Amino acid sequence: AQSVTQLDSHVSVSEGTPVLLRCNYSSSYSPSLFWYVQHPNKGLQLLLKYTSAATLVKGINGFEAEFKKSETSFHLTKPSAHMSDAAEYFCVVSERWGGGNKLTFGTGTQLKVEL
Amino acid sequence: DTEVTQTPKHLVMGMTNKKSLKCEQHMGHRAMYWYKQKAKKPPELMFVYSYEKLSINESVPSRFSPECPNSSLLNLHLHALQPEDSALYLCASSQDIPALSNSYEQYFGPGTRLTVT
Repeated sequence: AQSVTQLDSHVSVSEGTPVLLRCNYSSSYSPSLFWYVQHPNKGLQLLLKYTSAATLVKGINGFEAEFKKSETSFHLTKPSAHMSDAAEYFCVVSERWGGGNKLTFGTGTQLKVEL
Repeated sequence: DTEVTQTPKHLVMGMTNKKSLKCEQHMGHRAMYWYKQKAKKPPELMFVYSYEKLSINESVPSRFSPECPNSSLLNLHLHALQPEDSALYLCASSQDIPALSNSYEQYFGPGTRLTVT
C-alpha cells in the first residue's frame, strides 16, 4: 500500500523568507505525487504534480518540489513566503483504482506566515 | 475551464431530513469522487464513479446514497444523518485513463459545509 508522511504538522515562517514543507512517501513502484493547498473553508487546489518526467517540478504561485527517489522524498519549497501562502498543505500519492485514481493524503502541514 | 461546482455551499439539516448535495463539472472527466473532510483532517474518500458507474464504495453507511445521472453530474443523497456526519463534503473529478499510465490530478470543488442538528 502507498502512503505519505508529512513530517511537520505546523510550520511558521516570516514573510519574505523561504518555505520548506517536508513529505516522504512509500510506494512499491514509481508513484504519482501531488501537493495540494487548502485555504480556510475552501476546496483543495492543485499546486503541482510529479508523474515520472522531470524530478524538479514547478507549480503555481512560485512553489516547486523535487522528487528524490533515493530519499523517498517530495519536499515542497518556495523561495520567498507571502502572507497569502498561509494555508493547509497536503502531500498526496496516487494509485490507479477502480477506473479512477485513489488519492492517499498526508495528514497536512499548516503553514503560518508572519509579518 | 477547470472548475468543479458544488451546491449548496452550506446546509443545515435535522436527523430526520432528506437532502441532496450536487456537483457538476464540464471538463469531460469520466471519473468523479465524493470525499468527507472533518476539521483539521485530510479528506477521506467515500465514493468513486467511473463512466457513471459506482466503482468504489469505501464502506460508507447507507444513509449516504450517491448517484451519477450523467457524466457531468454527481449527487449525494442524505437521509437520517447523525451529528457526527457534520463535515465539509468535497466533490472532485479526474480524467480516466484506460491504459496503464500515470495518474491524472483530481480537481476539487469548494465543498458543501454540512451541519446535522
